[in-house]
Amino acid sequence: EAGVVQSPRYKIIEKKQPVAFWCNPISGHNTLYWYLQNLGQGPELLIRYENEEAVDDSQLPKDRFSAERLKGVDSTLKIQPAELGDSAVYLCASSAGAWGNAEETQYFGPGTRLLVL
Amino acid sequence: SQQGEEDPQALSIQEGENATMNCSYKTSINNLQWYRQNSGRGLVHLILIRSNEREKHSGRLRVTLDTSKKSSSLLITASRAADTASYFCATNSGANSKLTFGKGITLSVRP
Repeated sequence: EAGVVQSPRYKIIEKKQPVAFWCNPISGHNTLYWYLQNLGQGPELLIRYENEEAVDDSQLPKDRFSAERLKGVDSTLKIQPAELGDSAVYLCASSAGAWGNAEETQYFGPGTRLLVL
Repeated sequence: SQQGEEDPQALSIQEGENATMNCSYKTSINNLQWYRQNSGRGLVHLILIRSNEREKHSGRLRVTLDTSKKSSSLLITASRAADTASYFCATNSGANSKLTFGKGITLSVRP
């Protein structure tokens, strides 16, 4: 079974440019998560989707970040415009169960490493 | 914000030795989970312990949970070079089961 797929794996852009990350979750997983991981830190949740609905986006900086999960499968996370402080790893994860199931295991993708110059 | 705090921040041991990593947290939890992250790769779920459990085993892993002290420990027995990675504790809390990660522990196992 294929795991969570993310692309690109690496991205280097200049500040003020837009950037987009793509995630394909494990087949059949209803819940999808986007995390931000700064160097030397643990992942921090940006947004969680239950099918196509964003059920928790309280940590998403909505002035420059946006996300969508059309058709409840693939998801795209966008930053426009990017700032120097956005340099980090952006992780996508998925889980099979419904929102609120405390014992659902999250499966993570390899992440996209973003460098903003 | 990050609820879990791991201790130590870095640990270096010889292959075959045991590695003990600790995690403390602040608020009540549904469960506590440990993840491993190898360099350049995503996180891999290792083990979950429920708030009403005190100890759990999985292969060479042993996890304990003390809810009165709001702390957990992860023991890796008979460590191998392949165990070299960063280890994160993550607390699952609230009605929406949000997962909150600590800063992680860097484990180096010398061959």
